[in-house]
Amino acid sequence: DARVTQTPRHKVTEMGQEVTMRCQPILGHNTVFWYRQTMMQGLELLAYFRNRAPLDDSGMPKDRFSAEMPDATLATLKIQPSEPRDSAVYFCASGSWRPGDTQYFGPGTRLTVL
Amino acid sequence: DAKTTQPTSMDCAEGRAANLPCNHSTISGNEYVYWYRQIHSQGPQYIIHGLKNNETNEMASLIITEDRKSSTLILPHATLRDTAVYYCIVRSFSQGDYKLSFGAGTTVTVRA
Repeated sequence: DARVTQTPRHKVTEMGQEVTMRCQPILGHNTVFWYRQTMMQGLELLAYFRNRAPLDDSGMPKDRFSAEMPDATLATLKIQPSEPRDSAVYFCASGSWRPGDTQYFGPGTRLTVL
Repeated sequence: DAKTTQPTSMDCAEGRAANLPCNHSTISGNEYVYWYRQIHSQGPQYIIHGLKNNETNEMASLIITEDRKSSTLILPHATLRDTAVYYCIVRSFSQGDYKLSFGAGTTVTVRA
């Protein structure tokens, strides 16, 4: 089964530290999405890419968050500096750029900022 | 994207069919109905989707009303492992907007 993989699965860090989360989309998928899930807000879309180009990052706090796709097999989400309110589970999903397409989600990175 | 309305929670008995309703009265002609579920601490899992016709796969069936204003997800023989939050999502592919917008979903508890 082709799957989206995410690393690390768990991350505990202190406030002010840089955090980098990585995602490997399913081979052949050209669309990558980053979501964040908290108890209060549920699942929120942060940003998404098509063919490695950012299409929409309106859900992302621009001052501290950045998302990139250095190549077709890697997407990264960075937080610098991290804050306790960034504690959440971050999910990556991938799909193809076609109507009726399906997004497949990774297992998530559980981030705790102390 | 059009919004959806789902019950907050529902219980069902193991081995019985689970019927999960979803209202999407403002859906437009080119919008699909998607269902995902999220088992505790896992990533959302795709179940099924449809545009106009009813759909069936190895996991579930999706029944969409003729006017497309509502749909029902059917899990034919619920098991304890089907306990999860189920999300009904209306997804637009117009103007290159391919994102999924998740609501609160329905918390389904399958009881032995």
